[in-house]
Amino acid sequence: EPEVTQTPSHQVTQMGQEVILRCVPISNHLYFYWYRQILGQKVEFLVSFYNNEISEKSEIFDDQFSVERPDGSNFTLKIRSTKLEDSAMYFCASTLTGGWLHFGDGTRLSIL
Amino acid sequence: KNEVEQSPQNLTAQEGEFITINCSYSVGISALHWLQQHPGGGIVSLFMLSSGKKKHGRLIATINIQEKHSSLHITASHPRDSAVYICAVQKTSYDKVIFGPGTSLSVIP
Repeated sequence: EPEVTQTPSHQVTQMGQEVILRCVPISNHLYFYWYRQILGQKVEFLVSFYNNEISEKSEIFDDQFSVERPDGSNFTLKIRSTKLEDSAMYFCASTLTGGWLHFGDGTRLSIL
Repeated sequence: KNEVEQSPQNLTAQEGEFITINCSYSVGISALHWLQQHPGGGIVSLFMLSSGKKKHGRLIATINIQEKHSSLHITASHPRDSAVYICAVQKTSYDKVIFGPGTSLSVIP
């Protein structure tokens, strides 16, 4: 069965550094999402992406965040200057028709 | 106020017990999702509902749109069912999913 794959599984970065989290959604899917989960808290929406542009973003998704789908397969989340509070598990998800969601296994981001 | 609430927050059951996890929401929705989060963190979709009832193996999900309430039932629970079960809603198709806080289930042999 096709899967959403995320790399790396764990990323450790110094505060202030840029980080790029990578996702390969299922190949024929059209809608892409990033969510995050701070340890012990519920999963929160960051951004949705459709037709090569952001369709919605949350208050969390400020100017330090950006998303790209540069080559039709990868879907990346960039954090320009990381803060301690960016430490979280980041999940990529994709869906074909806006319904059933397929999640990646997540990237655990640790900011030191 | 949270748009999605779940109860109980934590649940411990003996193997073989029938388990019910409840979800209530306060917004109009096009769909409700039940998801399972494994101890390692990965999230798996279990059900997507817009009305009625769905069954998959030992899992049953129901939704009452008028009462804005859904339940997830696990029959003949097993230790491998131990996980966090999350209710999440979509206001419209293609919209973001709004997650509930999750219910942590532990099934003891």
